[in-house]
Amino acid sequence: DGGITQSPKYLFRKEGQNVTLSCEQNLNHDAMYWYRQDPGQGLRLIYYSQIVNDFQKGDIAEGYSVSREKKESFPLTVTSAQKNPTAFYLCASSRTSGRGNYEQYFGPGTRLTVT
Amino acid sequence: GESVGLHLPTLSVQEGDNSIINCAYSNSASDYFIWYKQESGKGPQFIIDIRSNMDKRQGQRVTVLLNKTVKHLSLQIAATQPGDSAVYFCAENTGNQFYFGTGTSLTVIP
Repeated sequence: DGGITQSPKYLFRKEGQNVTLSCEQNLNHDAMYWYRQDPGQGLRLIYYSQIVNDFQKGDIAEGYSVSREKKESFPLTVTSAQKNPTAFYLCASSRTSGRGNYEQYFGPGTRLTVT
Repeated sequence: GESVGLHLPTLSVQEGDNSIINCAYSNSASDYFIWYKQESGKGPQFIIDIRSNMDKRQGQRVTVLLNKTVKHLSLQIAATQPGDSAVYFCAENTGNQFYFGTGTSLTVIP
């Protein structure tokens, strides 16, 4: 089964704790992305990575960190510095993030609740 | 419980009718567009895409129209079925990044 997996589906944390969301893909895609989705808003880009060991900040990177040690994996850490971390987090991948313009495939999402 | 945000635009159609969902995009330099379908609690699912050198593209039961003059994109779903009930949103690609609309909630009435 090819695709993108995210785990866990639901995650609960206390305020002040860091938490890491997992994203794995077996599509052999070069580019991977993390988005945040809030009610009534479009997806907002947190971070993206075009190749292993390289990543760039998106529009709302503050309070988040990522790593890209393997092509298949792009974990997202929500740090205690993120002021409003409760949201639905979506990971995506594509063949390229450049002007080649290929569709992004999304994972099932992780709903994070911080109290 | 979940926080309440802005209400999405909604569209209700009878089963078997055609649906038209609209999207206004912002950047005249965008050259690639995608329509996604998202069911509650799930990740977005690719429906159809179109490049800026085209003004129409058809898939199975779906058609996307692109009007670059007024920066408008539409998704037409033929013979709408109950399984089509979901939120639909468009995405525009500018450079390395996609920008996503807020979406339209489609409800199909049996």
